Amino acid sequence: DQQVKQNSPSLSVQEGRISILNCDYTNSMFDYFLWYKKYPAEGPTFLISISSIKDKNEDGRFTVFLNKSAKHLSLHIVPSQPGDSAVYFCAAGSSNTGKLIFGQGTTLQVKP
Amino acid sequence: EPEVTQTPSHQVTQMGQEVILRCVPISNHLYFYWYRQILGQKVEFLVSFYNNEISEKSEIFDDQFSVERPDGSNFTLKIRSTKLEDSAMYFCASSVEGLAGMETQYFGPGTRLLVL
Repeated sequence: DQQVKQNSPSLSVQEGRISILNCDYTNSMFDYFLWYKKYPAEGPTFLISISSIKDKNEDGRFTVFLNKSAKHLSLHIVPSQPGDSAVYFCAAGSSNTGKLIFGQGTTLQVKP
Repeated sequence: EPEVTQTPSHQVTQMGQEVILRCVPISNHLYFYWYRQILGQKVEFLVSFYNNEISEKSEIFDDQFSVERPDGSNFTLKIRSTKLEDSAMYFCASSVEGLAGMETQYFGPGTRLLVL
């Protein structure tokens, strides 16, 4: 199932700098998108979401951007902190179904 | 902060045995889900459950799988006759609503199932 893709398996950034995680999708029926953060041996933790009627949503250090024409979303973390080091998953859903489709995940490492 | 809990955290079983994975969703949530993640692969949707019945299920969720809400708090996933390929991390999730769009699903910590 390649409907949601995160093409970068890993990303390394310096503490204090911006982290940009990307996600592409193919299904135009998706109308909301979420980012989850996952530590080893834990479940995905919700970070931030965005509806398809918006192009930006911000929550503290986290901002999600949605480009519907390109079927692309990104998560910006600024400033990045070492505690942000984890696997980040984007997920997509549509309002006519409850299931989420996940990307493969991107491992973020923030170096002190 | 309310959270989804799952038991056990780890389960080792022999092929062909039945396993029951348990979840306690967040108390005011009405929609419940099971997902799984095979090592090195994506998190995959298995089933959604609302009002004591399955709302949607994936191709993975065949006759070997069943879900139940036996009481007002627990939500269970049963695998009747486990196969080697059922080895995975199983996540339970819940949401306040399921079809309103933008409904955040909150995940439990997972049960790691190993089938030998």
